[in-house]
Amino acid sequence: GNSVTQMEGPVTLSEEAFLTINCTYTATGYPSLFWYVQYPGEGLQLLLKATKADDKGSNKGFEATYRKETTSFHLEKGSVQVSDSAVYFCALRGIQGAQKLVFGQGTRLTINP
Amino acid sequence: EPEVTQTPSHQVTQMGQEVILRCVPISNHLYFYWYRQILGQKVEFLVSFYNNEISEKSEIFDDQFSVERPDGSNFTLKIRSTKLEDSAMYFCASSAFGQESEKLFFGSGTQLSVL
Repeated sequence: GNSVTQMEGPVTLSEEAFLTINCTYTATGYPSLFWYVQYPGEGLQLLLKATKADDKGSNKGFEATYRKETTSFHLEKGSVQVSDSAVYFCALRGIQGAQKLVFGQGTRLTINP
Repeated sequence: EPEVTQTPSHQVTQMGQEVILRCVPISNHLYFYWYRQILGQKVEFLVSFYNNEISEKSEIFDDQFSVERPDGSNFTLKIRSTKLEDSAMYFCASSAFGQESEKLFFGSGTQLSVL
């Protein structure tokens, strides 16, 4: 079945550092791919998405490119801020079935000033 | 921005007791979901609900679980007889129709502790 694997956390960086959070997936066909973010005390929020191979999703300085050949959707940001501290979830929605998302385990990111 | 509201934020119960977790989805949304996350594990899909019926459910969602949309605004998850392994953070989510259905809006969760 469909699955998502994220890099283990927690990840701790200094402000203005470069961020990469790895995400790989297993799915049949061409799923839609997503990154969700959960700030402390809040629900998960959609950060960005890509629906077909080679698409790049971007939002708030974050980017992720849908790589079919490596089945990956790594999240990147060139210069992180303290306010980016949160838990980041990679997810996919398969081409069959209803609306359910399949999530990775989440990666906790802490940015120190 | 509109948001999904979940109550309570924390629920402690004894094993074997019934619990009801409550959610108020965004008012014009048509798809509703429950997910859960056991500490340190992945966020797992439980059930999706559309047009007043379950559209999909996972293996986790057995006969002990049920969902209801009793009054057109609330969306509830009932666990009939809780087990220790039901301890988790439970997230409610909703989405709109059509292309916007891919964007799920999540509540901040209910932390359920079964003792």
